[in-house]
Amino acid sequence: EIVLTQSPGTLSLSPGDRASLSCRASQSISSDYLAWYQQKPGQAPRLLISGAFNRATGIPDRFSGSGSGTDFTLTISRLEPEDFAMYYCQQYGSSPRTFGPGTKVDFK
Amino acid sequence: QVQLQESGPGLVKPSGTLSLTCTVSTSLKNYYWSWIRQSPGKGLEWIGYLHSSGITSYNPSLKSRATISEDTSKSQFSLDLSSATAADTAVYYCARDRGLGICDYWGQGILVTVSA
Repeated sequence: EIVLTQSPGTLSLSPGDRASLSCRASQSISSDYLAWYQQKPGQAPRLLISGAFNRATGIPDRFSGSGSGTDFTLTISRLEPEDFAMYYCQQYGSSPRTFGPGTKVDFK
Repeated sequence: QVQLQESGPGLVKPSGTLSLTCTVSTSLKNYYWSWIRQSPGKGLEWIGYLHSSGITSYNPSLKSRATISEDTSKSQFSLDLSSATAADTAVYYCARDRGLGICDYWGQGILVTVSA
């Protein structure tokens, strides 16, 4: 199975800052089938990005995804207070689908 | 807007079967429907999916303990996980899968504890 590694584990930033979250795969993800989810405490994950860079419906354009193969990045251009949360990457290019361990974006 | 709601026992005895149901606000037709769980120790783990055509797929890590079925007349799909152990304690989510593994709508989640 494909193992996903996310870094850093925690990102301490302030509103207005730029956030860059990394997701690295143990092998190349076919067709760049990588998604990003946001999760807040007590809530279900929320789809942000699919296909490495396609924003889901209703997701603000400050969220962007990039990368291919084994290295992917989620960028939040200017952090809003509601963006402080956990972020997970997920690959769906091969079975079983797997998730990364997450990056927590918290207040500096 | 698609809404999903998990239901079922919050406590299951070891070696018992963990059974959950997801009620969906729309028809199950033409979509995949997934179960995903989240535990502090293992993070997010995909359990499996069911397509409205009857196709299923499961995570091999569950060693054939999982079964996902549907009741289209009630717009529900269910998860049975046999031979439950403490390692199955988690928050269980049901989700709509657009196909390919992209889960765009999720239930709120239900905590299931496996304990005597």
